[in-house]
Amino acid sequence: KAGVTQTPRYLIKTRGQQVTLSCSPISGHRSVSWYQQTPGQGLQFLFEYFSETQRNKGNFPGRFSGRQFSNSRSEMNVSTLELGDSALYLCASSLGGARDTQYFGPGTRLTVL
Amino acid sequence: DAKTTQPPSMDCAEGRAANLPCNHSTISGNEYVYWYRQIHSQGPQYIIHGLKNNETNEMASLIITEDRKSSTLILPHATLRDTAVYYCIVRPSNDYKLSFGAGTTVTVRA
Repeated sequence: KAGVTQTPRYLIKTRGQQVTLSCSPISGHRSVSWYQQTPGQGLQFLFEYFSETQRNKGNFPGRFSGRQFSNSRSEMNVSTLELGDSALYLCASSLGGARDTQYFGPGTRLTVL
Repeated sequence: DAKTTQPPSMDCAEGRAANLPCNHSTISGNEYVYWYRQIHSQGPQYIIHGLKNNETNEMASLIITEDRKSSTLILPHATLRDTAVYYCIVRPSNDYKLSFGAGTTVTVRA
């Protein structure tokens, strides 16, 4: 079974721009979670989607948003990029239950100049 | 959420067992212990999880103390490819997110 895939793998943007990242979960998985990893803050939870609905949300500003499609694929969007948004963005998929294991993708490395 | 304490770093010799400790003294009865690892700049890789019984899979063994206040991840025969940051996470059974700490940087030396 194919793993979690994320596109693009690398991205360079400038301040003020917006960006959209994509995540395709493992086949059959209905939950997609997004995390941000920076050297200073480590791995932090952004939000989680299940059945096209945001079910959980972390403590990030409204510039960070996401959505999930009927095939469980998910996108996250960051508007008005700031230098501090430079990070590795990771998505993880699971079957959807609270006890189900999350499996991570390789991540998208975003650099904001 | 219960907090975890892990040593910041540890070395181990290739071919030997690596024993990674984790302290979670405030763990609650419905909280699971999860282990992930992250090889440089890759996505975290799931290793193993458990509630109160010891668990073993093809990658590792998880030993949880009887009082559940600490656990040990055992990599039976460490290889150079096991060099990574290892995260011990305590996750409530009703929580959909994973809360990562700083982890333990494990360096396997030839």
